[in-house]
Amino acid sequence: AQTVTQSQPEMSVQEAETVTLSCTYDTSESDYYLFWYKQPPSRQMILVIRQEAYKQQNATENRFSVNFQKAAKSFSLKISDSQLGDAAMYFCAYRRGLTGANSKLTFGKGITLSVRP
Amino acid sequence: EAEVAQSPRYKITEKSQAVAFWCDPISGHATLYWYRQILGQGPELLVQFQDESVVDDSQLPKDRFSAERLKGVDSTLKIQPAELGDSAMYLCASSPEDREDTEAFFGQGTRLTVV
Repeated sequence: AQTVTQSQPEMSVQEAETVTLSCTYDTSESDYYLFWYKQPPSRQMILVIRQEAYKQQNATENRFSVNFQKAAKSFSLKISDSQLGDAAMYFCAYRRGLTGANSKLTFGKGITLSVRP
Repeated sequence: EAEVAQSPRYKITEKSQAVAFWCDPISGHATLYWYRQILGQGPELLVQFQDESVVDDSQLPKDRFSAERLKGVDSTLKIQPAELGDSAMYLCASSPEDREDTEAFFGQGTRLTVV
């Protein structure tokens, strides 16, 4: 079974600084999808960034980028120029495929990010 | 912007009582998921629907939980009888046809407290 591990329960960053959130996963598959989701307090979970395992290039979305190390099964999220609105719980998630039961998300335990003004 | 609607937002119930949650996915989304998120943990899948059919309910405690999506649109998740350990956030998510660039869209969830 696939597992996703986020070992840091909490992190803090100064506004405008850069922070990296760590995630490791375990799978025997060669093709899969990885995600970072953001869950603000009392708000719905939203997608931050996705990475397809077959793509060597790391995904980027504005201030958010990932460091995908397939061999090491590592998938970290870097947030640059941190803003107060980035404060939230962040979840790393794995999806085995696109169809049927393969499309479900397996989540890590999450990390609470606080941003200091 | 279309959103996944869930109700109620909060529910307090006594143990051994029945409770139900409702989810209305984004229009046109064929796949619907129910996840349970215990405080301080990541969401875990309870049940997945493709249209009106159950795709995966392997983690659904079927002795007390049931889920349906009769017309392949909105869905109801029921717990009877509720237990103290059922206190959690229940999240509904939906996604459109299976493509690489599709994503799951989540509702705001129903926070259940069993007393």
